[in-house]
Amino acid sequence: GESVGLHLPTLSVQEGDNSIINCAYSNSASDYFIWYKQESGKGPQFIIDIRSNMDKRQGQRVTVLLNKTVKHLSLQIAATQPGDSAVYFCAENIEGGSNFGNEKLTFGTGTRLTIIP
Amino acid sequence: SQTIHQWPATLVQPVGSPLSLECTVEGTSNPNLYWYRQAAGRGLQLLFYSVGIGQISSEVPQNLSASRPQDRQFILSSKKLLLSDSGFYLCAWSNLAGDSPLHFGNGTRLTVT
Repeated sequence: GESVGLHLPTLSVQEGDNSIINCAYSNSASDYFIWYKQESGKGPQFIIDIRSNMDKRQGQRVTVLLNKTVKHLSLQIAATQPGDSAVYFCAENIEGGSNFGNEKLTFGTGTRLTIIP
Repeated sequence: SQTIHQWPATLVQPVGSPLSLECTVEGTSNPNLYWYRQAAGRGLQLLFYSVGIGQISSEVPQNLSASRPQDRQFILSSKKLLLSDSGFYLCAWSNLAGDSPLHFGNGTRLTVT
């Protein structure tokens, strides 16, 4: 299944299926994007990032796709497992948009992914 | 490898009491350090960031302050807590460049009663 992060805050996926979590970012000047996973009661955990000179990047069981034309970012999780249950959110940044680094990083509110056994 | 430690994990404090939350980073030098607050169902709000010892920038006016007495230590404080200060506080670090991710601690759940 798939979701739009801000409009469908929950996504339920059968264990073993692939998950697709979407994020619509706001600033056309953004050129660096990050996906985080946050489990209940814990801090956000870095999953994968992508720069705007790429449209796809793969990690272990995860793939991030970037469509700059429509300002859309997605996270695909292959063969979803119970341990994938968490809130996932994206963040955008303008690499050259600050003097110090990440203080202009903008976060989405997230999508809760629930795994159905 | 780099690690970030944040404590305490949970804290219950009465209104009007002081606050001190501590964060330390290991395995890196001269990191950028950040304090965020996360409200339930809402995004992360940047409170303070620091690019070096004694250098603190505040993003929003509030009842809180931050200090960086050492390169890898970041402290969030308040002289008198308000009910509205309740929330989940996260410390994070990053490298200087704007194309490196933030790495977060596990947060402090603060309840002001």
